[in-house]
Amino acid sequence: EVQLLESGGHLVQPGGSLRLSCAASGFTFSSSAMSWVRQAPGKGLEWVSAITANGGTTYYADSVKGRFTLSRDNSKNTLYLQMNSLRAEDTALYYCAIYGVSPRYFDYWGEGTLVTVSS
Amino acid sequence: IQLTQSPSSLSASVGDRVTITCRASQDISSFLAWYQQKPGKAPKLLIYAASTLQSGVPSRFSGSGPGTDFTLTISSLQPEDFATYYCQQLNSYPLTFGGGTKVEIK
Repeated sequence: EVQLLESGGHLVQPGGSLRLSCAASGFTFSSSAMSWVRQAPGKGLEWVSAITANGGTTYYADSVKGRFTLSRDNSKNTLYLQMNSLRAEDTALYYCAIYGVSPRYFDYWGEGTLVTVSS
Repeated sequence: IQLTQSPSSLSASVGDRVTITCRASQDISSFLAWYQQKPGKAPKLLIYAASTLQSGVPSRFSGSGPGTDFTLTISSLQPEDFATYYCQQLNSYPLTFGGGTKVEIK
């Protein structure tokens, strides 16, 4: 059974940093591209970032470029999102998802971890 | 690439045929997916490649494309279908989602 378990979300002050983790199991993590999607309270879905299976290439939304860094450790089956210079507008539930690249879709999602940026 | 979903919300009855539209700001071929999200839950993949039904999704769901104009149709709305639906383009980065369509009970 595919499982994605996000962790690391909590309350942080504006300008602060957080590292989110997504622990994966039940599939071949090292062969899978991955992605993060966030959802602000009461709002729609916003794509955040994606990474190739080998970790060699990353992609970011303009809203987080230069502040967030996506990485992975295939030996630990874990995805990481380092979030720096956090802003109030980064407050959201952050989901990790498996990014199927052929065909293209997000077929499995975790349950999310909540990040709140507030003073 | 911007995705414009319409309507943003709709009220319908069980058994109704429901159509949701997603318009892309440029040609995205068939690189479009549809998701269903219920309150407090993660999104669930319904359709990918514009018209391919994900395994396990009821056949009352269907999608059309390609190009710039896409539709998600529910042929006969069931009680479990009341939810919010999102389209997503996967043609190019940055990936984007539509604003969502909330389907409510009339």
